Amino acid sequence: ILNVEQSPQSLHVQEGDSTNFTCSFPSSNFYALHWYRWETAKSPEALFVMTLNGDEKKKGRISATLNTKEGYSYLYIKGSQPEDSATYLCASTTSSNTGKLIFGQGTTLQVKP
Amino acid sequence: GAGVSQSPRYKVAKRGQDVALRCDPISGHVSLFWYQQALGQGPEFLTYFQNEAQLDKSGLPSDRFFAERPEGSVSTLKIQRTQQEDSAVYLCASSLQEPGLEAFFGQGTRLTVV
Repeated sequence: ILNVEQSPQSLHVQEGDSTNFTCSFPSSNFYALHWYRWETAKSPEALFVMTLNGDEKKKGRISATLNTKEGYSYLYIKGSQPEDSATYLCASTTSSNTGKLIFGQGTTLQVKP
Repeated sequence: GAGVSQSPRYKVAKRGQDVALRCDPISGHVSLFWYQQALGQGPEFLTYFQNEAQLDKSGLPSDRFFAERPEGSVSTLKIQRTQQEDSAVYLCASSLQEPGLEAFFGQGTRLTVV
C-alpha cells in the first residue's frame, strides 16, 4: 500500500445503527495514525492519535483500533446519532516526516433520524 | 482566539487574479502546515513551517504558490495568476511541538476561481 485509502467513500445509516469505517495506510516507516471528524463549515476535529500496534482508543460512542503490521485502522461508531453526520478523515505520518499528514479521501457519514 | 483562525472564509477570484489567504495559528505553536483539499479528495500537504523557517515546500503545486511566516506566527499563502484548478479548500493547521503529534486545524478558506 503506497497511499492512505478509506472505505467506504460514503455511508447512509439510520439513527441507532452502529457502523464502522476502514483506513489502510503504508506500514513501512509508520509513525502515527490520526482520525479527524470534519463537519460542514467547521474545522476538522481530532478524534484520535494512535502510535502503537494494537492501540485501541475510545471517546464516548466512538472507538478506533490500529494494526501497524498490516497497515489498517478501524473507526467504530456505536448507536449513530444525527450529530455524528460528518466526513471522517484518517491520516498517517511516517518516521521520516513526523508532522506531514498523508490523508485518505475521507468517509462521509449521513445519519438519518 | 483559542483556535486556528483563517481568513477569508470564502474567496471568489477571477482567473488570473492574485489572492492571499491568511492563517492565525494558536499562540505559541511552533509548527504550521498548509493543506489543499480539492473537491471529493482528502487534504493534500502543501508546505510546512517551523517558526519562521519554511522547512518543506514540496507540496506546492507550482511556482505560482508562495507561503510565508515572517515572524513565526501568522502565515500567508499567496497564489498568483489563479487558475480554475486552484479552486479548493485551503486548510491551515498548527501544532505545539516540532512537528507535534496533534495538529489543530482552522475552518479553511474555500477558494473558487471563475
